[in-house]
Amino acid sequence: GAVVSQHPSWVICKSGTSVKIECRSLDFQATTMFWYRQFPKQSLMLMATSNEGSKATYEQGVEKDKFLINHASLTLSTLTVTSAHPEDSSFYICSARTVGDTQYFGPGTRLTVL
Amino acid sequence: GQNIDQPTEMTATEGAIVQINCTYQTSGFNGLFWYQQHAGEAPTFLSYNVLDGLEEKGRFSSFLSRSKGYSYLLLKELQMKDSASYLCAGFHGSSNTGKLIFGQGTTLQVKP
Repeated sequence: GAVVSQHPSWVICKSGTSVKIECRSLDFQATTMFWYRQFPKQSLMLMATSNEGSKATYEQGVEKDKFLINHASLTLSTLTVTSAHPEDSSFYICSARTVGDTQYFGPGTRLTVL
Repeated sequence: GQNIDQPTEMTATEGAIVQINCTYQTSGFNGLFWYQQHAGEAPTFLSYNVLDGLEEKGRFSSFLSRSKGYSYLLLKELQMKDSASYLCAGFHGSSNTGKLIFGQGTTLQVKP
């Protein structure tokens, strides 16, 4: 089956620093990647949709200058949380879509901002 | 609208059958996904219904009625490892540009 990886699996950083999370589709080309955020005991909230070679489309209420998304190739998308604050602590999950609409999720990155 | 509703929690017994319902407002959805998520892990794909009817895949089956805005996930021969959250997600938009909208998830606890 399709495999999506994320790196790092977890990260702890100080308030005010920036953190980059990578999402890779390992055995398929993903024209579209998605970034989600999930708080404890809540469902996944879509942050943005990322298409290769074009600007990401952000959901309402998500600050595009704070959550920078780059989708440089058909197998890699990155999410950079800039000037992170404790309220940004969350579980960040990416997913990649293959032809046929099925989305496969990465293992997630747990961000803790001190 | 794009509201998706699922029960928050369910409890069932090992070996039994459980049905997890999902209702949604019908405008704009072009398919219904079910995902399983264990605590602290990412969701894993279970099923996808785009047409009305029942899709069976081993112990898991999923049903969709587009006119009623209703879907369910049926889990048979429950095992302890089935304890997890089950997420219903509607696919909103066209094939190439659409996105998944998730319900709040149903936490299923399987007891011995």
